[in-house]
Amino acid sequence: AQSVTQLDSQVPVFEEAPVELRCNYSSSVSVYLFWYVQYPNQGLQLLLKYLSGSTLVKGINGFEAEFNKSQTSFHLRKPSVHISDTAEYFCAVRSGGGGADGLTFGKGTHLIIQP
Amino acid sequence: EPEVTQTPSHQVTQMGQEVILRCVPISNHLYFYWYRQILGQKVEFLVSFYNNEISEKSEIFDDQFSVERPDGSNFTLKIRSTKLEDSAMYFCASSVGSVNTEAFFGQGTRLTVV
Repeated sequence: AQSVTQLDSQVPVFEEAPVELRCNYSSSVSVYLFWYVQYPNQGLQLLLKYLSGSTLVKGINGFEAEFNKSQTSFHLRKPSVHISDTAEYFCAVRSGGGGADGLTFGKGTHLIIQP
Repeated sequence: EPEVTQTPSHQVTQMGQEVILRCVPISNHLYFYWYRQILGQKVEFLVSFYNNEISEKSEIFDDQFSVERPDGSNFTLKIRSTKLEDSAMYFCASSVGSVNTEAFFGQGTRLTVV
């Protein structure tokens, strides 16, 4: 079984400051990792994904994340946030066991950008 | 840009009634999913569907639930005999491939059981 932990339910940050949203996972097999963003009253949009290769992955809207296998983490970062980044951010994992496995999501982190 | 569309956006139903939530996945996608998000909780996987059959389902997806791809374009989730605790946002998703490809999500259907 796999699980995802997002320790911070809410992260307030001032505009133009850097931010890191934490994500840790557990899985007994190889994993594929994703960050999704949910703006108010909208569906889930993929920010970035780690499938293989370079552990630093870059996504849309200036976000990036680093896969750290030894720490089983996939933290999301942005060097300078904008008011429009206010949203709910979900980390998700899929196992590499084959088949059409569903995503396992974390509880989400609400990013609040303060002017 | 192609997108997953879900209808209706909101559905209110009486407890015990049956509801059908509808989704139109992206046209060249082969894998289809349903997820739900109870208010204030995490997004939970319900079921995946490939080649006209269920490929995986979670423990949430019991006999009360069923999925169907009736006409090659729609993908439906049927909930029989709804309960209050079925109230949630239901998301449909689709992907070209399986585990190592991105899943595209719809805007969701908010189901309220009264």
